Amino acid sequence: QVQLQESGPGLVKPSETLSLTCTVSGGSITSYYWSWIRQPPGKGLEWIGYIYYSGSANYNPSLKSRVTISVDTSKNQFSLKLTSVTAADTAVYYCARGRMTMVRGVMVNWFDPWGQGTLVTVSS
Amino acid sequence: DIVMTQSPDSLAVSLGERATLNCKSSQSVLYSSTNNNYLAWYQQKPGQPPKLLIYWASARESGVPDRFSGSGSGTDFTLTISSLQAEDVAIYYCQQYYSTPQTFGQGTKLEIK
Repeated sequence: QVQLQESGPGLVKPSETLSLTCTVSGGSITSYYWSWIRQPPGKGLEWIGYIYYSGSANYNPSLKSRVTISVDTSKNQFSLKLTSVTAADTAVYYCARGRMTMVRGVMVNWFDPWGQGTLVTVSS
Repeated sequence: DIVMTQSPDSLAVSLGERATLNCKSSQSVLYSSTNNNYLAWYQQKPGQPPKLLIYWASARESGVPDRFSGSGSGTDFTLTISSLQAEDVAIYYCQQYYSTPQTFGQGTKLEIK
């Protein structure tokens, strides 16, 4: 079955850019939507954004000005960049496959499966 | 954004007893054109990612034990565990996918009494 694995630095300095990659195995990255979701320590879940294998993306407006999600179909990977990070961006970052449906012309997802998650700490 | 509010924040139930977890959305997640409720439930155990349990408010994911069931419509939803097992100790989250950004509730922590 499909498995996802996040990778990237576990420590990022304030004002710098957080960069993570999710590698998809056991299936093709085509034909699905792929999301990033984060969870601050001891807190709830926040959807960051999704990308389709074609490169079409949709972001949470709360983060849109700082987020870029990209896809590399040749490597079966998709990536997250979050700029100008602060301590508030400290979280476990998950990648997940979207189970998709369309509502009023907009693609929306619920999520399955998820990667194991990677903790990113923003600190100097 | 649609705000999802779960209650209670924590719940202690005896083994073998029924657990009832609630989720309320700030606006209806029932889409009249499809008559579907755009709501999912997840289970998160310590140190693990969330696991999908229920989607379309009441459709059980393959492999999920049938003691888990989802119900409700519009703005009020319930996840019921009919007979609590020790392995059900976890935090449970609801999520709406009626509109973007998709949003999650704050979670209900389920423990053994």
